[in-house]
Amino acid sequence: QQQVKQSPQSLIVQKGGIPIINCAYENTAFDYFPWYQQFPGKGPALLIAIRPDVSEKKEGRFTISFNKSAKQFSLHIMDSQPGDSATYFCAASKGGGADGLTFGKGTHLIIQP
Amino acid sequence: NAGVTQTPKFQVLKTGQSMTLQCAQDMNHNSMYWYRQDPGMGLRLIYYSASEGTTDKGEVPNGYNVSRLNKREFSLRLESAAPSQTSVYFCASNTGYSNQPQHFGDGTRLSIL
Repeated sequence: QQQVKQSPQSLIVQKGGIPIINCAYENTAFDYFPWYQQFPGKGPALLIAIRPDVSEKKEGRFTISFNKSAKQFSLHIMDSQPGDSATYFCAASKGGGADGLTFGKGTHLIIQP
Repeated sequence: NAGVTQTPKFQVLKTGQSMTLQCAQDMNHNSMYWYRQDPGMGLRLIYYSASEGTTDKGEVPNGYNVSRLNKREFSLRLESAAPSQTSVYFCASNTGYSNQPQHFGDGTRLSIL
């Protein structure tokens, strides 16, 4: 049973475009929704996170949109750059993340120059 | 500041052999986690330790044991390795308080023949 569904699996965008990655969750007890970025050979690193009482959060070029009623959230990358090429994972957890994260399957993003 | 350090970085085992993966963090974090990452599967939680002296099962604990040796160290043991345990293993840590990011090591790449 996949509790966090992520799409698309892969995405190619031209430099300057706005890639959008979507996630949907089932468990209404989830209350913490982080996004992680992973480069080849490295561990995931936190990009941005949101709680369900907020509909949108921006940090630099990265924005999370959150729709609690639809149980969906998405990541937007503004003015994308080739250096943003990486695998992105959405995740969710209960209790603010202390008990571990449930990850989506990941999106392999390529930003073409 | 090293963060989360995992050893070894690579290992090849034969079916039935045993092995312990080591993880240490220098951030004075209370909580530590073990995940496995398989192609197209995202990261899945194996075990976690909310605080020194406690451990709990995650999503995929079968075939693994863990030890929280002290506040800094959290090891993962495969008693009798199986080809299905071929994976990249990530250790992570965080403060244990709500909405705090998990910090990941760079992983151990384990192949079981």
